[in-house]
This record gives sequence, structure tokens and C-alpha cells, in this order.
Amino acid sequence: DTGVSQNPRHKITKRGQNVTFRCDPISEHNRLYWYRQTLGQGPEFLTYFQNEAQLEKSRLLSDRFSAERPKGSFSTLEIQRTEQGDSAMYLCASSSVRGGGGGPKNIQYFGAGTRLSVL
Amino acid sequence: AQKVTQAQTEISVVEKEDVTLDCVYETRDTTYYLFWYKQPPSGELVFLIRRNSFDEQNEISGRYSWNFQKSTSSFNFTITASQVVDSAVYFCALPSYNQGGKLIFGQGTELSVKP
Repeated sequence: DTGVSQNPRHKITKRGQNVTFRCDPISEHNRLYWYRQTLGQGPEFLTYFQNEAQLEKSRLLSDRFSAERPKGSFSTLEIQRTEQGDSAMYLCASSSVRGGGGGPKNIQYFGAGTRLSVL
Repeated sequence: AQKVTQAQTEISVVEKEDVTLDCVYETRDTTYYLFWYKQPPSGELVFLIRRNSFDEQNEISGRYSWNFQKSTSSFNFTITASQVVDSAVYFCALPSYNQGGKLIFGQGTELSVKP
């Protein structure tokens, strides 16, 4: 397994358009996290899944944002009616609560991120 | 509430100098972990180390070493004989275990190592 994969790497869109990002976690990992990072700041938590269940959402996740992990494998993050303030790097991470083949438990491994620019 | 503070926004050193990155944290948990991640210009956050609050022994891995002191709530990271490839943003992070282990990150320290 090559790690956490995110697509696309870059997305440029016009204000008001919808965008969707995809994250493929490390295959043995049952937890998947989404974070948002703006320039000069540390990543901020958005939401996380354990298997297919979305267990927590941050206040940062407005009703224009929705995330899914339909079969407990890959996840998508959709932003509807994008605004210029949504411009950021969107990072995905995965971890295992059991450890084993996916590495030590409860260590989050990150993808390279999707950089969103809203014009 | 969980909080991580990295007071150094930017550090610039010349290659082969030693450099220490500071991290101060706040938590009400009695047992916790602390993490360091590296973010090179490519953008991917790379896991460096995790330490348990039970273990205050310093850890050394090659040119990297970590000094964990519970008494001062600090978890500092030292790079010995820095190299240009060490140039990156470094983040200290604290998990929130009653919230699924989500990571609370500091603001990051941008390290620039010049040849």
C-alpha cells in the first residue's frame, strides 16, 4: 500500500460552483479524517469517520459541506456553492484503532492534500 | 480545552547548525500523546514521532531528538547538524481522545536551512 491518496491535487473553480474531493485511505485503516489548512496555519479538523459512520463534525463544517464514506473505504468531501473563503488545502488522514498491517494504532497518516482555489 | 502553541513562526539557520523547535501544550487529560509532523513544500504532512505522557525520557533518532517535559508542558524538537532537506514547516499536535483522536495542531514553525 502506498499511503493515503487524494484527488485531485489542485482544483480551481468559480464562486458558486460545487466541487468534490476524493480520499483513498490506507487499506487496513478504519478511521478517516478530513482537515482544512489555510496559509500559515496548522490543519483544522473538519470531520471523521469510523468505518462508514460519520462520528463527529466540526463547527467549521457548514451546511454547504458534506462528507461521505459509503462502504467504509474511500471518502468524498463535497462543497456546494463555493465561496472565496473556502480556498484552502483540504487534507485527508487515516488511522487504525487496531494496529497491525496498517502500522501502529492511532497514528494518523496524511495524504498530499487537495488545494482548492475559488475565484 | 486542548491547545498547542508554537511560538516560533519562522526560523532560519545555516546548514550544519543545530536548531530547536519549541512546542507548549495545554490539556486536562492525565494521559495523552504528543506528535510532531513535518510538512515539506510538496504539502504532505509526514509523521515524525509520537510520545506518551508516561514516558519523559528523551528520544533520539539520527539527527532528530525530542525533549518532553511534563512539568513545563513542553515537547521540543531538536535537529542536529541541519541540512537543506530539513527545510519545511514543522507541526506539533495533541490528540483529543474523547473526540475520535482528532489532532489539535499548533500554528507550525517554518524552518529554512540555507547552504
